[in-house]
Amino acid sequence: AQSVTQLGSHVSVSEGALVLLRCNYSSSVPPYLFWYVQYPNQGLQLLLKYTTGATLVKGINGFEAEFKKSETSFHLTKPSAHMSDAAEYFCAVTMEYGNKLVFGAGTILRVKS
Amino acid sequence: GAGVSQTPSNKVTEKGKYVELRCDPISGHTALYWYRQSLGQGPEFLIYFQGTGAADDSGLPNDRFFAVRPEGSVSTLKIQRTERGDSAVYLCASSLHAGGNTGELFFGEGSRLTVL
Repeated sequence: AQSVTQLGSHVSVSEGALVLLRCNYSSSVPPYLFWYVQYPNQGLQLLLKYTTGATLVKGINGFEAEFKKSETSFHLTKPSAHMSDAAEYFCAVTMEYGNKLVFGAGTILRVKS
Repeated sequence: GAGVSQTPSNKVTEKGKYVELRCDPISGHTALYWYRQSLGQGPEFLIYFQGTGAADDSGLPNDRFFAVRPEGSVSTLKIQRTERGDSAVYLCASSLHAGGNTGELFFGEGSRLTVL
């Protein structure tokens, strides 16, 4: 069975500061990993994904994540937070040819001015 | 519209009543998914359609829940004899092809169900 743990249900950073949202997964097979973002009153949208190949993945809005197999992690980072980054972020995992995304509980990011 | 559309956006019902939630996916998307998101939790998989057939319904919690997609486009999630524990946001997503792993899932805004 696959599972996802997101450390920290709430993260608060100052505008311009580094954003780091943590995600650890468990999977008995090579995982495919995703970060989704949900802005207020909007549907979930894909931020970035790792399937195969390069382990450092770049997404929209300056976000990136690195797949570290040895640490079973897929942490999301952004060098400089903007006010517009305030949202809830979900890490998700599936397996090759899988159709079921397993989501973490989410992390609400607050950006202070 | 261009995105996934879900109706109603909000539904309040009484315990024991029957509820239908509708999802209109992006035109041309063959795969359709239903997820449920309870307060403070991430989305939880319910069922996945490839075309008209339910390819995987392993996430449906019990036989009170049922979903259909008769023409391979619009889908309806049906909940019989609603219970207070069914209160959640029900999310629908679609993707161009089967297998959401490499394809991007496009989510609707959800239908918030409250069972009193």
